[in-house]
Amino acid sequence: AQTVTQSQPEMSVQEAETVTLSCTYDTSESDYYLFWYKQPPSRQMILVIRQEAYKQQNATENRFSVNFQKAAKSFSLKISDSQLGDAAMYFCASLSGTYKYIFGTGTRLKVLA
Amino acid sequence: GAVVSQHPSWVICKSGTSVKIECRSLDFQATTMFWYRQFPKQSLMLMATSNEGSKATYEQGVEKDKFLINHASLTLSTLTVTSAHPEDSSFYICSARPQGHEQYFGPGTRLTVT
Repeated sequence: AQTVTQSQPEMSVQEAETVTLSCTYDTSESDYYLFWYKQPPSRQMILVIRQEAYKQQNATENRFSVNFQKAAKSFSLKISDSQLGDAAMYFCASLSGTYKYIFGTGTRLKVLA
Repeated sequence: GAVVSQHPSWVICKSGTSVKIECRSLDFQATTMFWYRQFPKQSLMLMATSNEGSKATYEQGVEKDKFLINHASLTLSTLTVTSAHPEDSSFYICSARPQGHEQYFGPGTRLTVT
């Protein structure tokens, strides 16, 4: 069975600083995808970044980047130059051949002005 | 971009009644649609997977007779909560998959059962 673990229920970061959210996963699949989703107070799920497991290069989207350590089954999200609008719940998720997302429990990110 | 809508965004119903939630893919055809439930300050829990023209597949522990799912077309799936009770109050989110692995989420529906 697939599992996704987020060990940080809540994180805080000063505006303009950098923060890293942790995620570990477990899967027996050889082909899978990993995602970070943002859920603001509106509760709309917003895709932040995705990583194909077969790609060694870490994905990057503007201020967001991941550190994908396949052997360690770790998939952390780094947010650089944090902005007030980054405050939200962040969910790590895995997806494999069944097309079912497995979500972690989430990390609430607070951005301090 | 791919847009998924849900209707209604918020519904209040009385205990014992049924309520239907619609999920539509507006600019693409969805091979598969998924229904999630999210309790306050918790993660999304997959309830069921629906494919157009076939019966939905429910996750373990989800009552299929209580949560009726109909995927009538490639752009519409409905979730009907039958004989709703206060414990069914929750936030329901759908997602739609065109092809491949990408999925697109709807904005969610808040259900309150009084």
